[in-house]
Amino acid sequence: NAGVMQNPRHLVRRRGQEARLRCSPMKGHSHVYWYRQLPEEGLKFMVYLQKENIIDESGMPKERFSAEFPKEGPSILRIQQVVRGDSAAYFCASSPQTAYEQYFGPGTRLTVT
Amino acid sequence: GENVEQHPSTLSVQEGDSAVIKCTYSDSASNYFPWYKQELGKRPQLIIDIRSNVGEKKDQRIAVTLNKTAKHFSLHITETQPEDSAVYFCAAIRNNDMRFGAGTRLTVKP
Repeated sequence: NAGVMQNPRHLVRRRGQEARLRCSPMKGHSHVYWYRQLPEEGLKFMVYLQKENIIDESGMPKERFSAEFPKEGPSILRIQQVVRGDSAAYFCASSPQTAYEQYFGPGTRLTVT
Repeated sequence: GENVEQHPSTLSVQEGDSAVIKCTYSDSASNYFPWYKQELGKRPQLIIDIRSNVGEKKDQRIAVTLNKTAKHFSLHITETQPEDSAVYFCAAIRNNDMRFGAGTRLTVKP
């Protein structure tokens, strides 16, 4: 049973470009969470999705950020018009039910130059 | 929403000693409390968790205790080893709402 997969592992974007981060949950998991982690800091909740539904996006900035989890395929976190402050590690996690027992992917390290 | 405070932010112990990390939470409806270990440059890994209907849980050298009345829970690591060195995060969950503590950097000196 493969774990949570994320790609790319490293992503470099210039200011103003778009960043797309992908997350494939563990097999059998239908709940996906996205977190942002700045260097030397904790994990900050961004958004919680189930298949085709955004359940809670209270931690996600209202502008430039969006997330989806389509019926088929991975969950995608999209950041439009990136700025230097978006540089961080973005982790997704999946769980079989609600927020319990979340398992994390390896993360995508986004660098905005 | 939930607010989780974690202490200490850094902890250094000698190999073989015990380490204790404490977290407090604000939402009395929180009912699930996991602990994650994150090594440098790697993903957070779930190491132990406890639900609100249990006061203590143990897994080999790791134990977690929960005091619902005081709204705090603690991670205990006994007989620490250098490979225990990492950042440890606590979290508190109520339904879909999970909030993490800021993390504790544990260093185990050989």
